[in-house]
Amino acid sequence: QKEVEQDPGPLSVPEGAIVSLNCTYSNSAFQYFMWYRQYSRKGPELLMYTYSSGNKEDGRFTAQVDKSSKYISLFIRDSQPSDSATYLCAMRLNNDMRFGAGTRLTVKP
Amino acid sequence: DTGVSQDPRHKITKRGQNVTFRCDPISEHNRLYWYRQTLGQGPEFLTYFQNEAQLEKSRLLSDRFSAERPKGSFSTLEIQRTEQGDSAMYLCASSLLQGNSPLHFGNGTRLTVT
Repeated sequence: QKEVEQDPGPLSVPEGAIVSLNCTYSNSAFQYFMWYRQYSRKGPELLMYTYSSGNKEDGRFTAQVDKSSKYISLFIRDSQPSDSATYLCAMRLNNDMRFGAGTRLTVKP
Repeated sequence: DTGVSQDPRHKITKRGQNVTFRCDPISEHNRLYWYRQTLGQGPEFLTYFQNEAQLEKSRLLSDRFSAERPKGSFSTLEIQRTEQGDSAMYLCASSLLQGNSPLHFGNGTRLTVT
């Protein structure tokens, strides 16, 4: 079992849809949780960074952490074609940082 | 642009050749990381520096790989005697010194070994 599991997709939605991306993890010691967006042939770009269980909102993006279930989610409201990218979840304990494999999202106009 | 800068963006080399990549981190960031990413996978940790000290190396970092950060600013990653399995995107990231500061990535160097 991988330490971080993420459905690779691909996920295709129409413009304006609500997108839900998810990761599960096995190491309950992880304390910090991140979502990165990666466009083709670019480096990962930090989208959201959270510490505690609960929700964190930033514009159209909401990150949700459930430590008891070891489950994190990223919601994208009013999705746009420019949101088409690979979304990577990541989690960290001190200097140990692990990434999911990424979910490829396509938002169709 | 004050983000993480990597050079070159692409490198094509023949098997057995040596290659060197450069990373310039965000100027106020003390920590610098190297990751490798293959198609369809998330980044995998290779090594990291705090200032000029290399504090951790992954078992993925074979003895053909060496990284330096001589003055605590830019870093280089050298791969000697390249193999086809070394073909990947090599990502550099930097962060503040605080233990759990988020990593900020550059756009990577894509290596193709023929």
